[in-house]
Amino acid sequence: GENVEQHPSTLSVQEGDSAVIKCTYSDSASNYFPWYKQELGKRPQLIIDIRSNVGEKKDQRIAVTLNKTAKHFSLHITETQPEDSAVYFCAASKITGGGNKLTFGTGTQLKVEL
Amino acid sequence: EAGVVQSPRYKIIEKKQPVAFWCNPISGHNTLYWYRQNLGQGPELLIRYENEEAVDDSQLPKDRFSAERLKGVDSTLKIQPAELGDSAVYLCASSFGGRFFYNEQFFGPGTRLTVL
Repeated sequence: GENVEQHPSTLSVQEGDSAVIKCTYSDSASNYFPWYKQELGKRPQLIIDIRSNVGEKKDQRIAVTLNKTAKHFSLHITETQPEDSAVYFCAASKITGGGNKLTFGTGTQLKVEL
Repeated sequence: EAGVVQSPRYKIIEKKQPVAFWCNPISGHNTLYWYRQNLGQGPELLIRYENEEAVDDSQLPKDRFSAERLKGVDSTLKIQPAELGDSAVYLCASSFGGRFFYNEQFFGPGTRLTVL
């Protein structure tokens, strides 16, 4: 089955700096890669996702890049703010007709310091 | 629009006792997922339903876990008997299953289970 590794497990940055979180996956058939943000005690929420037919996607301060050859993808957050502090999970999936099985990474605790 | 609803939010039981979790997905979502999230880990899929059919239950410990989704809407996940290692957050998620597009999964708030 799919295996997703995520690094680093913790990341501390100064407000305004950039943060990068990296993930690798094992199944070359995976074609959908979402990123979820989970604040303490709350539900995971999708912040951005990318399909295997594109190499990069941006949404304001957040961007995701995908390298299918190397089987890795990364989350980039620019101009970090204190409200970005949370745990971020990457995931990989093969889209099927009726839904998709997400395999999650182990999470990155991001702390944005003032 | 209401999100995915789960109850209870917290449950504390003694080992060997039974416990049940309930999930109401977003209206119109035909695919429902149950995940288990251990402390400091990402969610792990336990079972996935398409309408009322369980299409992926390979990760469900069937000796003690059971699930049902009556009429393809609400779902219940049961553990009987519970063990200490079952302490975790149990997350329900739902998505609209379409054949030609990618399906965002929306998560519920989860049920935090503590087994003493």
